Amino acid sequence: GIQVEQSPPDLILQEGANSTLRCNFSDSVNNLQWFHQNPWGQLINLFYIPSGTKQNGRLSATTVATERYSLLYISSSQTTDSGVYFCAPKGGSQGNLIFGKGTKLSVKP
Amino acid sequence: GAVVSQHPSRVICKSGTSVKIECRSLDFQATTMFWYRQFPKQSLMLMATSNEGSKATYEQGVEKDKFLINHASLTLSTLTVTSAHPEDSSFYICSAPDRTYNEQFFGPGTRLTVL
Repeated sequence: GIQVEQSPPDLILQEGANSTLRCNFSDSVNNLQWFHQNPWGQLINLFYIPSGTKQNGRLSATTVATERYSLLYISSSQTTDSGVYFCAPKGGSQGNLIFGKGTKLSVKP
Repeated sequence: GAVVSQHPSRVICKSGTSVKIECRSLDFQATTMFWYRQFPKQSLMLMATSNEGSKATYEQGVEKDKFLINHASLTLSTLTVTSAHPEDSSFYICSAPDRTYNEQFFGPGTRLTVL
């Protein structure tokens, strides 16, 4: 099955800093989502981005499907951005998402 | 976006008891729902796919007799952990795809602790 690798595994930022999270996947996909898991475990949909670039406030994402990677940009980070960010392409045999191990982001005040 | 709810959010039970977790799509119908499990500091792993009106499909290594899934309506899927043991303690999360089957939405999760 498809393999998903996320980097970096851990990231510590000072409030106001910018960051780029990367997601590489082993096979071609036509569906990919980014999520933020908050400290209570809730997965929050950030982007549905099978290809191209999207922006939502301080966050933006780019997927280059032909090169099998996706990037999540966080600008002017805030403490509320802390949590784990997951990349999840749709690649399971049941139409399910396949999750990477995530990037744990800690934003310090 | 679509809203998925789960109940209960947290349950603590004694070893040997059964626990039922409900997953509901609140503002849309879902013929398919997915059940994931997440151990501490790990990623989400698919346990089973719940299909309305038919048997669930279980991933390799998941005991179907232990994790009973019932998708009785287009808005409700239930996961019953039978004869729970401490090793079943985990965070259980359900998801459902929207009408286009492109984007998936997740419930808030159920934290199960088996003593």
